[in-house]
Amino acid sequence: GQNIDQPTEMTATEGAIVQINCTYQTSGFNGLFWYQQHAGEAPTFLSYNVLDGLEEKGRFSSFLSRSKGYSYLLLKELQMKDSASYLCAVSYGQNFVFGPGTRLSVLP
Amino acid sequence: DSGVTQTPKHLITATGQRVTLRCSPRSGDLSVYWYQQSLDQGLQFLIQYYNGEERAKGNILERFSAQQFPDLHSELNLSSLELGDSALYFCASSVGAPTGELFFGEGSRLTVL
Repeated sequence: GQNIDQPTEMTATEGAIVQINCTYQTSGFNGLFWYQQHAGEAPTFLSYNVLDGLEEKGRFSSFLSRSKGYSYLLLKELQMKDSASYLCAVSYGQNFVFGPGTRLSVLP
Repeated sequence: DSGVTQTPKHLITATGQRVTLRCSPRSGDLSVYWYQQSLDQGLQFLIQYYNGEERAKGNILERFSAQQFPDLHSELNLSSLELGDSALYFCASSVGAPTGELFFGEGSRLTVL
């Protein structure tokens, strides 16, 4: 079966750095995606990893280790607007499966 | 704007009724995915179509059905509605290859009373 795990909730302070972890077990792997979702809104694409290593994109970076079935999303210089849910998703075969999401609260 | 259009944005109906949700994918995208998101829950995959054919099926109830038409728009039909079907229903599209990102519509919020 397909299984993706993420912490349910995290809290961090404005200006700080936070790391959101994701572990996965899927039959097949095409790539790993991170999406941001504000409450009641559509998910929006943040990053994509297909090879091991770190992908940096402004304040956001994402890391992948395929052998460990592990990824993390790193958010730097946190802003209040970063308060949202962060969804880890794995692409395999013709499908995308999403993790339960991590709700991040950024405090002043 | 993702380029994916979903209608209606909001829908309120009664138990036992049937509704149809509509999705128009981004221009050029052949794949359409449907997801259900209940309150404070993750995205649950329902079904995927590629160029008119069903490609993958998730935990979609038998009361639910979908199709993708020749013009590539898709419809999700929900029948014999129950209170627990109240959720946000998202449509997403992609070019086709599973290495491409998904583009999500704004969702259709269904409330069953």
